[in-house]
Amino acid sequence: DGGITQSPKYLFRKEGQNVTLSCEQNLNHDAMYWYRQDPGQGLRLIYYSQIVNDFQKGDIAEGYSVSREKKESFPLTVTSAQKNPTAFYLCASSADSAGANVLTFGAGSRLTVL
Amino acid sequence: GIQVEQSPPDLILQEGANSTLRCNFSDSVNNLQWFHQNPWGQLINLFYIPSGTKQNGRLSATTVATERYSLLYISSSQTTDSGVYFCALSFYTGFQKLVFGTGTRLLVSP
Repeated sequence: DGGITQSPKYLFRKEGQNVTLSCEQNLNHDAMYWYRQDPGQGLRLIYYSQIVNDFQKGDIAEGYSVSREKKESFPLTVTSAQKNPTAFYLCASSADSAGANVLTFGAGSRLTVL
Repeated sequence: GIQVEQSPPDLILQEGANSTLRCNFSDSVNNLQWFHQNPWGQLINLFYIPSGTKQNGRLSATTVATERYSLLYISSSQTTDSGVYFCALSFYTGFQKLVFGTGTRLLVSP
């Protein structure tokens, strides 16, 4: 079945450590996205990529970094510069980033900083 | 930027009841989607509906773009309908950046 796989599902990190969240899709989608969700709130866009080897900052990119070396992979690194990293992180993809881009989401990664 | 307001913020229903969720937005949009987030966090796209009406089983949605609102109808609710319902909108500026509302949290009790 086609879909998006995020790992790990749960992650604990000490303050000052970087952590990388994995996102892999086998939908052959061009566009990929990372969103952050805090309790009781909607989703906010961290980074997006419309094509391999290209990515753009979203609304809350500070303290995060990404890469897009392969079409199917879009890992997110939460760096020690992110002041409040505890959150639920969702990866999504769409066939393209224009027009009727219906998003498909992964199951999410829950990061807790101790 | 686009402002998205959803109401009600919380809703409790008995199984079998009907409900209407509302999404108001501040600007013209060309992409409106409704999502359901289950209690484990998985988001599922329900409708892509920038205008008009669509139905899928017990769910239907209507968007009146000229009046800047969209409605999601749930009929004969089931416990599996519980979760959070989000509307998300964008306008095209070379990239469809979706702006999410804060959601309606629905609990359907048996």
